[in-house]
Amino acid sequence: EVQLVESGGGLIQPGGSLRLSCAASGFSVSSDYMNWVRQAPGKGLEWVSIIYSGGRTYYADSVKGRFAISRDNSKNTLYLQMNSLRAEDTAVYYCARWLQAFDYWGQGTLVTVSS
Amino acid sequence: QSVLTQPPSASGTPGQRVTISCSGSSSNIGSNAVSWYQHLPGTAPKLLIYSNDQRPSGVPDRFSGSKSGTSASLAISGLQSEDEADYYCAAWDGSLSGPVFGGGSKLTV
Repeated sequence: EVQLVESGGGLIQPGGSLRLSCAASGFSVSSDYMNWVRQAPGKGLEWVSIIYSGGRTYYADSVKGRFAISRDNSKNTLYLQMNSLRAEDTAVYYCARWLQAFDYWGQGTLVTVSS
Repeated sequence: QSVLTQPPSASGTPGQRVTISCSGSSSNIGSNAVSWYQHLPGTAPKLLIYSNDQRPSGVPDRFSGSKSGTSASLAISGLQSEDEADYYCAAWDGSLSGPVFGGGSKLTV
């Protein structure tokens, strides 16, 4: 059974850093396109970043240069390193697998950026 | 501002049929498949439709999808109260090298 479990969210001050984790089971994160998607309070879903099976990475303009997606194949875990956090980064962050669609999602982890 | 355009809201009464539209461009819907998601507060989004018109196992056949050119639609027939949720379309965007979403449509039953 495929499962994605996020962790690492919390309250952080503006300008701070946080690393989110997404532990996968039932498949290998290195074999598929893995993503981070977020939903800010009262807003819609926003794609944040993707890492291809071959390792190439891409980012939404809103986080480019501040966030970094990576994976640890030995731990079968996806990461999102978030630096220079802003109030507008406050959101529930989901990891999700893309296989012609977002077919599996985690339950989400809340990141709150506030002083 | 979302890359794909959806109406912010839709509504219907129990038993009715409603449709939600999703408009894009040649770099996304025009050249790639569309998927649809149902999102209830506090839960993970759920895949309803993939490859424009395919339903994953377990999704009722009341949900159907279609695509034409740079637009797509989700239809829900036999509307039920539990269908009240936010619905999102998504598609791969070749110019962004990643998936893009619509802004979401809140369905009221």
